[in-house]
Amino acid sequence: GDSVTQMEGPVTLSEEAFLTINCTYTATGYPSLFWYVQYPGEGLQLLLKATKADDKGSNKGFEATYRKETTSFHLEKGSVQVSDSAVYFCALSPSGTSYGKLTFGQGTILTVHP
Amino acid sequence: GAVVSQHPSWVICKSGTSVKIECRSLDFQATTMFWYRQFPKQSLMLMATSNEGSKATYEQGVEKDKFLINHASLTLSTLTVTSAHPEDSSFYICSAPDRTTNEKLFFGSGTQLSVL
Repeated sequence: GDSVTQMEGPVTLSEEAFLTINCTYTATGYPSLFWYVQYPGEGLQLLLKATKADDKGSNKGFEATYRKETTSFHLEKGSVQVSDSAVYFCALSPSGTSYGKLTFGQGTILTVHP
Repeated sequence: GAVVSQHPSWVICKSGTSVKIECRSLDFQATTMFWYRQFPKQSLMLMATSNEGSKATYEQGVEKDKFLINHASLTLSTLTVTSAHPEDSSFYICSAPDRTTNEKLFFGSGTQLSVL
């Protein structure tokens, strides 16, 4: 079945450091790929998405590129801020299905220090 | 933006009792809602799809009689954990898609259930 594997955390960085959170997936066909973020005490929020190979999703300085050849969707940000501290989830939606039927990675806790 | 409210945020109960978790879409209607479960340090697992006015669709391996789902209105879905046992202790999260596009999901903040 489909699966998503995320880089294990927690990740601790200093403000303005470069961030990479690795995500690889296993799925048939061409799934849609997502990054969700959960801030303390809040629900998951969509951070960015990509629906086909070579698409780049971007939002709030975060980027991720859909790499079919390496089945990856790594999350990057050039300069993190304290406010980026949160849990990040990589997820996929199988091709041809509702976006609600998501398969998630285990989440990566990011802590950014001033 | 659209908000999904989930209540309670945490609950502690005795083994053998039932617990109800509510999921409300506050400013939009949701004909479909999704219920997820997350074990510590593991990913969110889809448990079931709640459908307004009809029976829920459960994922393989999820006990229908253990996890009762009711979606009686366009803004409310409930998950009842019946005869809870310690192994049911987990983090439960609901979500609802944007009805106009079904492309954007809005999540509740989750419910931490601890069964003693």
